[in-house]
Amino acid sequence: KQEVTQIPAALSVPEGENLVLNCSFTDSAIYNLQWFRQDPGKGLTSLLLIQSSQREQTSGRLNASLDKSSGRSTLYIAASQPGDSATYLCAVRGTRGQNFVFGPGTRLSVLP
Amino acid sequence: DVKVTQSSRYLVKRTGEKVFLECVQDMDHENMFWYRQDPGLGLRLIYFSYDVKMKEKGDIPEGYSVSREKKERFSLILESASTNQTSMYLCASRSHGPSYNEQFFGPGTRLTVL
Repeated sequence: KQEVTQIPAALSVPEGENLVLNCSFTDSAIYNLQWFRQDPGKGLTSLLLIQSSQREQTSGRLNASLDKSSGRSTLYIAASQPGDSATYLCAVRGTRGQNFVFGPGTRLSVLP
Repeated sequence: DVKVTQSSRYLVKRTGEKVFLECVQDMDHENMFWYRQDPGLGLRLIYFSYDVKMKEKGDIPEGYSVSREKKERFSLILESASTNQTSMYLCASRSHGPSYNEQFFGPGTRLTVL
């Protein structure tokens, strides 16, 4: 059964810093991996989707990488801003089912 | 832009009441999902549907049922609400196909059962 973990659970950084969030998964037979952001009390907003055949995806200040063989993905946030403060979740869709399996999230605080 | 909407942002119900949570998506997606999210437990899949009138149990279906009479609408039903069903409920949708399909979420319904 696929298991997804995220490290660290929480992170606090000063504004302007570059940072990396980590996501690990146990079963490398995946279709894709999706990163989300969630603001307190709100739904999930899709940030990036990486296909299993891709190594990375970029959107603005965000860059997500995927190393399927080692079961890892990273989300890189450049020049962090207070507006980036949120919980970031990764979700993996395996080839054996229709559904995503979610990690527990990393709670990010960017201090002005 | 994909829009997934949920009927209520906040809902307060009493134990034993029947509760309906509605979700509507406007992108003709085949797949729709209901999750609940609790502190320390993350997102857990309750039910999903891959077509009209089709439904599949997720990881925690006990105490819930669902209805999908139209492609754009997926309802979650709590037949007799209990306090342990107090949670944030999130609906999502996605089109068919293996790869190039993101999952899109609604804004969530915060349900409190007293």
